[in-house]
Amino acid sequence: KNQVEQSPQSLIILEGKNCTLQCNYTVSPFSNLRWYKQDTGRGPVSLTIMTFSENTKSNGRYTATLDADTKQSSLHITASQLSDSASYICVVSARGSARQLTFGSGTQLTVLP
Amino acid sequence: GAVVSQHPSWVICKSGTSVKIECRSLDFQATTMFWYRQFPKQSLMLMATSNEGSKATYEQGVEKDKFLINHASLTLSTLTVTSAHPEDSSFYICSARVAGGLNEQFFGPGTRLTVL
Repeated sequence: KNQVEQSPQSLIILEGKNCTLQCNYTVSPFSNLRWYKQDTGRGPVSLTIMTFSENTKSNGRYTATLDADTKQSSLHITASQLSDSASYICVVSARGSARQLTFGSGTQLTVLP
Repeated sequence: GAVVSQHPSWVICKSGTSVKIECRSLDFQATTMFWYRQFPKQSLMLMATSNEGSKATYEQGVEKDKFLINHASLTLSTLTVTSAHPEDSSFYICSARVAGGLNEQFFGPGTRLTVL
């Protein structure tokens, strides 16, 4: 069964600090892995998308890594801002599956002033 | 990037009434759209896959007669919640898939449905 597990479930940090969110998956055959940011009451917005051959991708203060051998990914946020407070969702797509994405349960990040 | 809109952004209705939610891809054509629902503090759950010009494919446990999906054009899909009940209250999110490449899905902003 395809699964995506994220940790921690929730995280509180002070503004300006860095943090790293984790994602482990068992989706097979692997196609790509995406990180989304979802603000409360809004739809998910894509941060990064990585294929098997990519092991790091950045989008501003967000840097995602992928280790396809260990089936792990991380999302590193640098110099956090209050607007980074949101749920961060790891989503994995299986190759050959036109419709199915496997969603993680998300990490709820709260950035305090 | 590709933009997906939803309308309305929120709706409150009485139990027993029907509610229609629209999902539009604004700057691209989407042969496939997806409908999700999300309960508080939970992740998105796929309800159905909607292909333009054909019947939607529903996930196990989703009542097709209760959640009617129409994908009449390459830029519009609608979800109608029929005879809504309070347990249907949820956050409904659509996404549209860009064919080819990584088959990336772009999500709409969501519709908050509250059934009284």
